[in-house]
Amino acid sequence: GQNIDQPTEMTATEGAIVQINCTYQTSGFNGLFWYQQHAGEAPTFLSYNVLDGLEEKGRFSSFLSRSKGYSYLLLKELQMKDSASYLCAVKDSNYQLIWGAGTKLIIKP
Amino acid sequence: DGGITQSPKYLFRKEGQNVTLSCEQNLNHDAMYWYRQDPGQGLRLIYYSQIVNDFQKGDIAEGYSVSREKKESFPLTVTSAQKNPTAFYLCASKGMLVTGELFFGEGSRLTVL
Repeated sequence: GQNIDQPTEMTATEGAIVQINCTYQTSGFNGLFWYQQHAGEAPTFLSYNVLDGLEEKGRFSSFLSRSKGYSYLLLKELQMKDSASYLCAVKDSNYQLIWGAGTKLIIKP
Repeated sequence: DGGITQSPKYLFRKEGQNVTLSCEQNLNHDAMYWYRQDPGQGLRLIYYSQIVNDFQKGDIAEGYSVSREKKESFPLTVTSAQKNPTAFYLCASKGMLVTGELFFGEGSRLTVL
C-alpha cells in the first residue's frame, strides 16, 4: 500500500528553527509537495520538490532524498503565525496525490 | 481577484437529507477536485474532473455525486447513502503550472445532526 508518515504534533519556540519530517512509500514518485493549513482554513502551497536537494524560499526550505523516500520542511526564525498544520503530499506514478495526515506545529513565545 | 469560492462555509443536515456543496473558480483551471478531511487523516479524494462534462471517482466516492456542466463550477452532493458525512470538505483546482500545485477553496464544514 501507499503510505506517508509525518509526526502528529511538534512544539517549538518563537524565533527558533524547526524541522518537520516526511517519509513516504508510494508506487512511483513524481514530486512532493508541502502545504500549510491554519485551523479551519484552506491549505496553501509552500514548496515542491522533484529532484534531490534543498529548495529554499525565504524562511522556509524543503529537502528531498528520493533514494531514502524522505523529505523535510525547515522553518527558520519562527513566528507565532507559523502555528499551523503542515501537510506532506506525494504525486505517485499515476500523478495522483497521496497525502500525509499532517503535522500540527505549535509555536510558544 | 482570482480564486476558488466554496459555499456554504458551515452546513447542518439531518440524517436522510441530501445536501449540495458549491465550488466555483475563476482561475480558468481545467481540473477540479473534491477532498474530504477528517481529524488525524490525510486528505482523501472523493471525485475529480479534468475537463467539462467529464469526472472520475476518487478513493471514497460512495455516497457522493458531482457534475461538471461548466468549467467554473464543480458542485458536490452528499447523499443520504453516505454513512458518515460529517467532515470538512475541500474543493481544489489545478492549472497548467509545471509544479501542478493545487489551489484550494476555504472549505465547507458539514455536520449531520
